Order: sequence, then C-alpha cells, then structure tokens
Amino acid sequence: GQQVMQIPQYQHVQEGEDFTTYCNSSTTLSNIQWYKQRPGGHPVFLIQLVKSGEVKKQKRLTFQFGEAKKNSSLHITATQTTDVGTYFCIGDAGGTSYGKLTFGQGTILTVHP
Amino acid sequence: DTAVSQTPKYLVTQMGNDKSIKCEQNLGHDTMYWYKQDSKKFLKIMFSYNNKELIINETVPNRFSPKSPDKAHLNLHINSLELGDSAVYFCASSQPGGGGYTFGSGTRLTVV
Repeated sequence: GQQVMQIPQYQHVQEGEDFTTYCNSSTTLSNIQWYKQRPGGHPVFLIQLVKSGEVKKQKRLTFQFGEAKKNSSLHITATQTTDVGTYFCIGDAGGTSYGKLTFGQGTILTVHP
Repeated sequence: DTAVSQTPKYLVTQMGNDKSIKCEQNLGHDTMYWYKQDSKKFLKIMFSYNNKELIINETVPNRFSPKSPDKAHLNLHINSLELGDSAVYFCASSQPGGGGYTFGSGTRLTVV
C-alpha cells in the first residue's frame, strides 16, 4: 500500500543552523501538505504543494516537491528557538475528491540556544 | 473566534466507561475528520464526514462511533473504553481545492 516515509525522526540543532526534513512516497502524489505542531499543541497547516518540481518559500522556510511528485522536503534556514516542534507531511494520492491520505511519521526538531 | 473547537480538552476516565468528544467548526467547511495521535506523535485518520455523510472509515474498533448532526459538527462517541484508547484525539475540517486541514486543539484522553 501507499506509504510516506519521513526522515529524520529527530533532529537536534544549534540555533542558527539549518534544518531539513524529507518525505518520500512509494507512489505518485496528487499533492503534499506540510504541518507544524508545537509541543502540546495541535498541527498547523504550513503549505500545500501541487505541481511537479514546485518550490515555495515562507520567510526562512523553503518547501520543495520533487519532479516525480513522490518526494518533498522542508528546509529551515538559520533556525530559531521558535522553530521547535514536530514537522510532518501528509501525502494525498488523489483519485477521489478526498483522496487517500498517508501521514509522515514526523520529524521532532529541537533547537538549542 | 476559534475555527475548530473541540471539548473537552482533557478527559480522564476509567476502563469500561463510555465517553463522547464534541467538535464544531465555524469555517463553513464541508468535510470534517477525527484523527488519533498516539504517544509517539504518529497521526492517524479515523473518520471523515462530508456534509454529514461518512466517506472515510479507517480500521477502527466499532466501539468508536462518529456522529454528524450537521456539517458544522462531528462528535465522537467511544464505548467500553480501553487502556489502549489513551491518546490525543484531534478534530479537523477542510474544504476541497487546497488550504489544508484546520485542526482543533485536541482532546487528551487518559483511560485508567
């Protein structure tokens, strides 16, 4: 069945260092979404990528969708302590109005000041 | 002006009890969901309703029964609670065409 693997599971960085998390799907996706969940909080939608090879930026965050629409990455430049939390992706295989959703396991980011 | 609100925020109950979690969204979204997040933070979809109709029903014990009285509400009733049901349950809503899922603040269920 369809799977989305997300790596790494954990990442510890010093404030100011960069951070990247990757999602890899076993099948072609219709779209992929990224979310951030602060400790004790709820997932908050960051972005949706739809087009092959798409790159979107939000301030220090850069999101990429692979050419084959199977891979995606989230890169944070110069991390800050406010970036701590779990980042996860949701892959949508499409096919119906509501698709078949698979969830990345999440990357827990810790930023040391 | 909370977009997706769910109650209660915390729920501690004994094994064997029956409990309900309520969810309401004021975004006008057509689709609502229940997700379960386990202790390892892994998020799993449980149910999805579109305009009061069930469209996704993942492999969930039949002790869990969702009910949608209207498209702004999706409640989750759990019968005969078990220790393994302890988790954080998130309600969410979405609209086709993008924009992602809007999650509620979660209900932390602890079964003792």
